[in-house]
Amino acid sequence: DTGVSQDPRHKITKRGQNVTFRCDPISEHNRLYWYRQTLGQGPEFLTYFQNEAQLEKSRLLSDRFSAERPKGSFSTLEIQRTEQGDSAMYLCASSLDIAAPYGYTFGSGTRLTVV
Amino acid sequence: AQKVTQAQTEISVVEKEDVTLDCVYETRDTTYYLFWYKQPPSGELVFLIRRNSFDEQNEISGRYSWNFQKSTSSFNFTITASQVVDSAVYFCALSERETSYDKVIFGPGTSLSVIP
Repeated sequence: DTGVSQDPRHKITKRGQNVTFRCDPISEHNRLYWYRQTLGQGPEFLTYFQNEAQLEKSRLLSDRFSAERPKGSFSTLEIQRTEQGDSAMYLCASSLDIAAPYGYTFGSGTRLTVV
Repeated sequence: AQKVTQAQTEISVVEKEDVTLDCVYETRDTTYYLFWYKQPPSGELVFLIRRNSFDEQNEISGRYSWNFQKSTSSFNFTITASQVVDSAVYFCALSERETSYDKVIFGPGTSLSVIP
């Protein structure tokens, strides 16, 4: 297994456009998380899935954001009508079980720049 | 509300020096997890350690050691004999049972530079 994959690595978009990011977790991991990280800050929780069910969403996730994990495998994060404030690194992570003695496995992230 | 504070924004040390990264957390829950992650210049966050609130034993892993003290709500991280490869941003993080173990709150990070 090659770990958590995120695509694309970088995305530059014009304000007002829609963007979609993809995350492929480690295959046996049933939990999948999205975080956002702005420059000089720690990651901020956005949402998480257990299998295909989206169990929690942060207040940071406005109605312009939507996340899906249709078959409990890969996940997509879509941002509609992008704004300059959406510019950030979007991180995906996965884990097998919250009780396991390890944390998340993170992907390399998708860096979004809204111009 | 849960909160993680890392007061040291940036630290520079000369190679082979020991360095301690401070982490102070706030939670009203009695059951929680604490974490440390490393983010090297390549950007990918790497898990280092997880401790639960009932285990205050200090831990050592090679050059890394962690000091968990519930009395002061601190979970400090020490690197002994630092190396250039230790240069990275280090994040302390917390998740608690009450709000959901799956919702991990990260601190702002400490950027460590190890100078050869």
